[in-house]
Order: sequence, then structure tokens, then C-alpha cells
Amino acid sequence: EAGVTQFPSHSVIEKGQTVTLRCDPISGHDNLYWYRRVMGKEIKFLLHFVKESKQDESGMPNNRFLAERTGGTYSTLKVQPAELEDSGVYFCASSPLGKGLNTIYFGEGSWLTVV
Amino acid sequence: AQSVTQPDIHITVSEGASLELRCNYSYGATPYLFWYVQSPGQGLQLLLKYFSGDTLVQGIKGFEAEFKRSQSSFNLRKPSVHWSDAAEYFCAVARSGGSYIPTFGRGTSLIVHP
Repeated sequence: EAGVTQFPSHSVIEKGQTVTLRCDPISGHDNLYWYRRVMGKEIKFLLHFVKESKQDESGMPNNRFLAERTGGTYSTLKVQPAELEDSGVYFCASSPLGKGLNTIYFGEGSWLTVV
Repeated sequence: AQSVTQPDIHITVSEGASLELRCNYSYGATPYLFWYVQSPGQGLQLLLKYFSGDTLVQGIKGFEAEFKRSQSSFNLRKPSVHWSDAAEYFCAVARSGGSYIPTFGRGTSLIVHP
């Protein structure tokens, strides 16, 4: 079974440019999460999708960040325009929906450097 | 809201020595607890998790963690550290039941001396 996959794995862009990160969750996982870790700091929650709906986007830092999950499958996170402080690792995770002993599976992250 | 405290930013141990990484959580009910590891240039890997039952949890790579409700702790241990264990370790807590959102600590960076 394929795990959570993220693309690109690494990206270097200039301040003011746009970057789109993609996440493919594990097949059948309705929950999809985005997290971010700025260097040396904690891993912070950004938002949570249930299928195509945004369940919780309380962690999105500002309106330069736009997340979508059309069709409830893969998700994209767009940063436009990128700022220096957006540099970090963006993790995507997914989990099945419903009660029980769920576990979140993380992707390997998309490493973003804004110069 | 739940929260996690990892009081040690850096831990340095010698190869072969024992290891204990501390984690304290804040949550009103019984939480789901996790330890993740991020090796240099790698993604997050789940080491172990606690949902219920036996409070001593065994994980991968020889790690274990013990849930102590009275101390609100979930410390990670390993009896003998290997150089390849050098990485960042993150403790996380999540609300029990249904969909949940894990909250992570700031991580502990483990340095292993030969």
C-alpha cells in the first residue's frame, strides 16, 4: 500500500514567487492534514480536511496560504506570494475517518526555502 | 485544548548509553499519545503510540514509552543508543475518539557521541 506522498520534496523559490505543494493521501483516507515546521520550532497544525471540506483551518497563518482538496482526493497548498518566513518543512498527513484506533500517517514533507 | 511540553531542546548521549526523552502533556481526558522521529533529511516516522491498555508501549527500533497518568507524562526510553538514533524526536497528543488533530511538542534533538 502506498503511503502519503508529497511533491515536490524540495523547492527553492524567490521571495514574491508562488509555490504549490501537493499531497496524495493514502487511498481511502478521508482525513487530510497539513502541518508546517519552521526551522528549530514545533510542528504546527495548519488545517484539516474531511474529504473535500475544510474541517478546521485555524492554523493557517494568513491569506497568502490557500489549501484545496477538490474531489476529496489529493490536496494542494499554495503560497502566494511567498515570504522569507514561509521557509520550512510542510508535512501532509492522512488518516481514515471514523471512531476507533486511528493513526495518522505522515508524508516525508516538502522542504521549502524562500530566498 | 491539548498541549505538549518537551522540556529538553537538546540531549547528548554516548553511543551505548541509555536514553530517556521527556514529554508532558495537558489534556482533560485520556489522550492518544505518540512519539515521532525525524532523521536528517527525512520525514516523520511513527515510533510508537499509546491509545489504551498496557501503559508500557513498545515501538520500533528498540524504543519504548511509558504512559503515567498521575504525572501526565509519556517519556521515551531506549536502553542502548546507536549512532543512527541521532535525530529529532517529537511527542504528540491527540484527543481521543473520532477524528482528531495531533498537537506536537517542539521536539528534542538527540546528539550521539561515538
